[in-house]
Amino acid sequence: QVLLQESGPGLVEPSQTLSLSCSVSGDSITSGSYYWNWIRQLPGKGLEWIGYIYNSGSTYYNPSLKSRVAMSVDTSRNHFSLKVTSVTAADTAVYYCARGLMVRGLMSAFDIWGQGTVVTVSS
Amino acid sequence: ERVLTQSPATLSVSPGEGVTLSCRASQSVSSNLAWYQQRPGQAPRLLIYGASTRATGIPARFSGSGSETEFTLTISSLQSEDFAVYYCQQYNSWLLGFTFGQGTKLEI
Repeated sequence: QVLLQESGPGLVEPSQTLSLSCSVSGDSITSGSYYWNWIRQLPGKGLEWIGYIYNSGSTYYNPSLKSRVAMSVDTSRNHFSLKVTSVTAADTAVYYCARGLMVRGLMSAFDIWGQGTVVTVSS
Repeated sequence: ERVLTQSPATLSVSPGEGVTLSCRASQSVSSNLAWYQQRPGQAPRLLIYGASTRATGIPARFSGSGSETEFTLTISSLQSEDFAVYYCQQYNSWLLGFTFGQGTKLEI
């Protein structure tokens, strides 16, 4: 059974950098045809996709967040990470990591999600 | 950006009834659409992908249909655990990013 688990500080000061990690257990992050995503949910709101990373390290980010987001993958530790710079209160959200399926070589839906981690931006 | 509009925002139904949720895309997403269920305090759970393929372990009472810009999720004979928020998501163009609808809340 593949499980994803987010970790990182629950409180970040405005203008600082938010850093989260997603640990993958139950399988190697390099096995199979998958891509790895971060999604966030603002308080009482819907879901916003932040970006994805392949185990090769190639990335693509939501154009609305692209200037402040960076993702990386550490295959030796079986995890991938998210950094969001220059955070404001508008970045307060539940952050989820999720595995993306590849179907016939094309990107498909997110089949496994972490439980989510709450990040609050406040001084 | 491909905008997804879900309707209605809230739907009040009774256990045992059937229900159909709608998701409309601002531009064609082919069949690259998924449905997720989110219960309070939980992460979303994948129900349907490819517009009509049930994900592993999803009961047969959940079915999806549609293509291009019009999609529906049908739940037959609602169970108590089905009362949740449902989101559609398009993954048609990685260049334009993946987007979610604003959600439909099913309430008793």
